[in-house]
Amino acid sequence: DVKVTQSSRYLVKRTGEKVFLECVQDMDHENMFWYRQDPGLGLRLIYFSYDVKMKEKGDIPEGYSVSREKKERFSLILESASTNQTSMYLCASSPSMGSRNQPQHFGDGTRLSIL
Amino acid sequence: GENVEQHPSTLSVQEGDSAVIKCTYSDSASNYFPWYKQELGKRPQLIIDIRSNVGEKKDQRIAVTLNKTAKHFSLHITETQPEDSAVYFCAASKGAETGANNLFFGTGTRLTVIP
Repeated sequence: DVKVTQSSRYLVKRTGEKVFLECVQDMDHENMFWYRQDPGLGLRLIYFSYDVKMKEKGDIPEGYSVSREKKERFSLILESASTNQTSMYLCASSPSMGSRNQPQHFGDGTRLSIL
Repeated sequence: GENVEQHPSTLSVQEGDSAVIKCTYSDSASNYFPWYKQELGKRPQLIIDIRSNVGEKKDQRIAVTLNKTAKHFSLHITETQPEDSAVYFCAASKGAETGANNLFFGTGTRLTVIP
């Protein structure tokens, strides 16, 4: 069974802090994704990575950066946290498409509060 | 980019009745349509998916239909049970040359099954 593990379930930080959210998957998946989930807005893609050291912007990358130094680990970085980044953050992974789209598997999420 | 709309945003049904959730998409190149169920406080989990080369797929009480011409797809849950209560998300993807299967999500439907 695919296991996507996010380092924290709950996190409270202060405005202006640099915040790191970590995600690890154990299925040797090529693709990893970071979403934020807000009521009424669904899941919105922040960044994704399709290989080590490769990254691409999603729909809402402003205020965020990512790092993928190892295949199994994908980090989301809030360079200078702001209150509008208070949200639920979900990490997901999937194998490379090949000839067919593959489903994404999600972690449990990190509920981040910025005070 | 792709735009996925989902309706209704909330749905209440009596136990044993059927529930239908509808989604439309804008990009005719989309070819993969998963549905996720998210119970309160838990991760989104894939419940069923359909690819553009089929019009319908069924798994026990759950079925999904796809109309490529109209660019809409629907989730059907029959004989609903209280444990079906959750938020359901539809998504669409066309994949990419990188092998990353970016998913574009609807805004979710909160289904409540009344015992």
